[in-house]
Amino acid sequence: QAQLQQWGAGLLKPSETLSLTCAVYGGSFSGYYWSWIRQPPGKGLEWIGEINHSGSTNYNPSLKSRVTISVDTSKNQFSLKLSSVTAADTAVYYCARGQFGSISSYYYYYMDVWGKGTTVTVSS
Amino acid sequence: SFELTQPPSVSVSPGQTASITCSGDKLGDKYACWYQQKPGQSPVLVIYEDTKRPSGIPERFSGSNSGNIATLTISETQAMDEADYYCQAWDSTTSCVVFGGGTKLTVL
Repeated sequence: QAQLQQWGAGLLKPSETLSLTCAVYGGSFSGYYWSWIRQPPGKGLEWIGEINHSGSTNYNPSLKSRVTISVDTSKNQFSLKLSSVTAADTAVYYCARGQFGSISSYYYYYMDVWGKGTTVTVSS
Repeated sequence: SFELTQPPSVSVSPGQTASITCSGDKLGDKYACWYQQKPGQSPVLVIYEDTKRPSGIPERFSGSNSGNIATLTISETQAMDEADYYCQAWDSTTSCVVFGGGTKLTVL
């Protein structure tokens, strides 16, 4: 059973760059999409973006200008960078494994393995 | 842009059936999934591909999806089912994952 372990800086100042990494243990790295999701305090889930093992990415349009997701297949890791953070970026950030495909021309995408989350606070 | 709408809250008595809806334009033409999130914990997948349950998820959790509405149904609801529930689908026009706003299930 795959497990995801994530880490990164938990306290940032406005205008700094958020940087998180997620390592995949106990499962295949290829054949999946690897996502970042965040959850502001008391609010719902927001998808940030994803990457596959070959480095193909998709980003939430609302964050696209500030987000970079990269992959290191030699270490089975993927990373998130979010630039120019503000207090609005304060949230718990999760990494997750995505399963994507199509059945009868209908697409499915679900995230079946999640990291434990990293709390990131942006404050001056 | 594609959006998913959920009721903010649903209440149910122990032992009764809870239904949580998720609405979106032509949602029935996509596959929906559902996550359960308890306070301080990561989300857990409870339904995928509209109706399937991952290993370890009790049979009392079921799902459906037709038209513009996907529904998560919890039969014989227990106190341990009290949590936030999120629906999610994939938008093919933007290649983006979309979450509903979440529904807080209270077991009274």
